[in-house]
Amino acid sequence: SQTIHQWPATLVQPVGSPLSLECTVEGTSNPNLYWYRQAAGRGLQLLFYSVGIGQISSEVPQNLSASRPQDRQFILSSKKLLLSDSGFYLCAWSGDRESSYEQYFGPGTRLTVT
Amino acid sequence: AQSVAQPEDQVNVAEGNPLTVKCTYSVSGNPYLFWYVQYPNRGLQFLLKYITGDNLVKGSYGFEAEFNKSQTSFHLKKPSALVSDSALYFCAVREGWSATNKLIFGTGTLLAVQP
Repeated sequence: SQTIHQWPATLVQPVGSPLSLECTVEGTSNPNLYWYRQAAGRGLQLLFYSVGIGQISSEVPQNLSASRPQDRQFILSSKKLLLSDSGFYLCAWSGDRESSYEQYFGPGTRLTVT
Repeated sequence: AQSVAQPEDQVNVAEGNPLTVKCTYSVSGNPYLFWYVQYPNRGLQFLLKYITGDNLVKGSYGFEAEFNKSQTSFHLKKPSALVSDSALYFCAVREGWSATNKLIFGTGTLLAVQP
């Protein structure tokens, strides 16, 4: 079966510091991968998605970047964090086959920028 | 453009009573619709989906959803609510026919089940 991991689970970082959040998927190959941010415990904002290694699409221009160095690894980064980067970051995957449309989410990373 | 609306920020129901969480959609073409649940400080869990076929879709934890094409709705239902069903529920629609499988999520409905 497929599983998705995210780490760290929680993170407290000062303004201006760098960020690296990691997401890995097991039990599938060539998944589509997604990064979301959930602010104020409510709405989901799609930040980045990737359909393959090295292929990153950005949904919202901002202080963050994403990379996919391996097939089942997706990394969210920032060179200098802003207060507004605080939130709950969720990684998700979906199959690339036509029969698998739903996305499956990881446990999330709670980021607090101080 | 595809969109979903969840008109209720919060739904309150007594334990043992039936529950409905509403969702309406707007799509061009056939809709692919989904429901997710999120417990506090957790990721979203997939509940059920409608792709094609029967209008009544059954999912996890006793939930079901009814697809109504004429009303462009996909309401989530459960015959008898449990206190443990209290959570945030999201409706979503697949964005077009792209292989990216991007989903457009509603703003979420908080379900509170009182004992």
